[in-house]
Amino acid sequence: SSELTQDPAVSVALGQTVRITCQGDSLRSYYASWYQQKPGQAPVLVIYGKNNRPSGIPDRFSGSSSGNTASLTITGAQAEDEADYYCNSRDSSGNHLFGGGTKLTVL
Amino acid sequence: EVQLVESGGGLVQPGGSLRLSCAASGFTFSSYDMHWVRQATGKGLEWVSAIGTAGDPYYPGSVKGRFTISRENAKNSLYLQMNSLRAGDTAVYYCAREGKNGIDYWGQGTLVTVSS
Repeated sequence: SSELTQDPAVSVALGQTVRITCQGDSLRSYYASWYQQKPGQAPVLVIYGKNNRPSGIPDRFSGSSSGNTASLTITGAQAEDEADYYCNSRDSSGNHLFGGGTKLTVL
Repeated sequence: EVQLVESGGGLVQPGGSLRLSCAASGFTFSSYDMHWVRQATGKGLEWVSAIGTAGDPYYPGSVKGRFTISRENAKNSLYLQMNSLRAGDTAVYYCAREGKNGIDYWGQGTLVTVSS
């Protein structure tokens, strides 16, 4: 089916590593993009393609993919990383999909 | 600097229509696919439509037949004509650019409220 599934919420201790996952059939054919969204703000691209960061995104953010699962990893999470994270991909028809979002809490 | 500025949001009654606009600057607008993405309050992102550089449109089933995306390259502008609006269409609507590797820039959004 054309859906992307994310865990609704994940928590991580300050300075530790956290992985946020996204599952969907389309990910077998297309890379996921990852977006960070803080309250009241527009989403910001943090990872795209195989594992690429736009200019200005800290290198503690990384991406990976295996089969139907894409992952966003934050190595050494900071307080400012607390946000909602969304994955995005496309299907073979040209339609785009978003995951339901993961709320990351940094403890 | 890439900038996307949405306008045209507001309060509309169920069954009504609204046209959103997005003014783009800082890049060669005609060379990029463009998208509309919406977000209801407290909810996730929902893809609404896309348009290719040749004007080819794409829609999910939830808006197909009611929404029409278009672009005017001479004016660096993207539009979304929304008809037969429902309460469930209430959301912030974002204009977004699709780069080589996916959606890469977003506007700040415009709020559409469908209510009587």
